Amino acid sequence: EVQLVEAGGDLVQPGGSLRLSCAASGFTFSAYWMHWVRQAPGKGLVWVSRINNGGDTTAYADFVKGRFTISRDNAKNTLYLQMNSLRAEDTAVYYCARGSGSYGDCWGQGALVTVSS
Amino acid sequence: QSALTQPASVSGSPGQSITISCTGTSSDVGSYNLVSWYQQHPGKAPKLVIFEVSHRPSGVSNRFSGSKSGNTASLTISGLQAEDEADYYCSSYAGGVVFGGGTKLTVL
Repeated sequence: EVQLVEAGGDLVQPGGSLRLSCAASGFTFSAYWMHWVRQAPGKGLVWVSRINNGGDTTAYADFVKGRFTISRDNAKNTLYLQMNSLRAEDTAVYYCARGSGSYGDCWGQGALVTVSS
Repeated sequence: QSALTQPASVSGSPGQSITISCTGTSSDVGSYNLVSWYQQHPGKAPKLVIFEVSHRPSGVSNRFSGSKSGNTASLTISGLQAEDEADYYCSSYAGGVVFGGGTKLTVL
């Protein structure tokens, strides 16, 4: 069974840092592109970042460029999102998703990140 | 990267068909056949129902279909069922990925 399990969500103060992880199982992790997508409470889906299967090509939404870093460890079947300089508006459920460069065909259950003092 | 435009809500009766539009620009929807659609029930993760404009993932009902004309993509759900009531989001490749604002489907 294909499974994606996010972890690392927490309450963090503005300006702080947090690292999310997404553990993959049930498929060949190294064969797939991966995405991070977020959803603020009561709001819509917003794409955050993408990484290719080899980990050498990444892309980011403009509002996280320079603050967030996506990475992956194919040996550990794990995707990461390092989030620095967090702002209140970064408060959201963060989903990891498996897919191609343009879509996600399998999503995790999400990790809640709350940025507040 | 401006969000794609979707109607805030649509509704239909069981058995009917509905169509949700997704309007972008010549830089996203109009340039690539890389439009996807997702279904999201309250409190749940999104589920892919259409990818690359009109392809259905394995296991998705053939009541779901997608199309595109110019800068506008569409999702059609035929034979509406109560379980189809959910939020629907379109997305398009645009260098990165851009989502629409979402459409709430109500089955009357």
